[in-house]
Amino acid sequence: DAKTTQPPSMDCAEGRAANLPCNHSTISGNEYVYWYRQIHSQGPQYIIHGLKNNETNEMASLIITEDRKSSTLILPHATLRDTAVYYCIVRVAENYGQNFVFGPGTRLSVLP
Amino acid sequence: DGGITQSPKYLFRKEGQNVTLSCEQNLNHDAMYWYRQDPGQGLRLIYYSQIVNDFQKGDIAEGYSVSREKKESFPLTVTSAQKNPTAFYLCASSIHGLAGAKNIQYFGAGTRLSVL
Repeated sequence: DAKTTQPPSMDCAEGRAANLPCNHSTISGNEYVYWYRQIHSQGPQYIIHGLKNNETNEMASLIITEDRKSSTLILPHATLRDTAVYYCIVRVAENYGQNFVFGPGTRLSVLP
Repeated sequence: DGGITQSPKYLFRKEGQNVTLSCEQNLNHDAMYWYRQDPGQGLRLIYYSQIVNDFQKGDIAEGYSVSREKKESFPLTVTSAQKNPTAFYLCASSIHGLAGAKNIQYFGAGTRLSVL
């Protein structure tokens, strides 16, 4: 599975959009981009995933560049409860090992 | 409510003791997983099971054992052979163990294990 690079930490003002970048320059054509987040001392929570088209759900939007080498997770109106570590994971769909490789992620702090 | 239940939330192990962490899911998922998380780090896969009565080693299986006798349950035993067991343990499940982009893993709340 391709490796990802994320900034170790980011701040965002409450009510503003939080834009979390992820680089995955070695992504293959059959690899999807997944985003999870982990609030302190809790289990990771699935947010969104995509292949090449932009995706949106009730939690967030995922923007994937045309060359698929990077993506951005957007939380449109960040709240204090969005403070968490956000993980970007690139993974082959046809992966019988089913291993999601969680790196160190980005620690997002939403500030009042 | 459907979900994944891990128990206990906190667990203490004495030297030389085996301890078992419970993971139960009522999501009717075929696949289940155990991860270990050390402070400030990502998750590492210990074991996974794609179907009842079958399981596979992950990246750090040494010192751990599992069983999968029922679809709903995937207990993890931390044996005395695991010399550094202090960590946050996470259980996850997904609809089925085979491929699929929508095969999202859903996680429990975790068990924090410490050595006395």
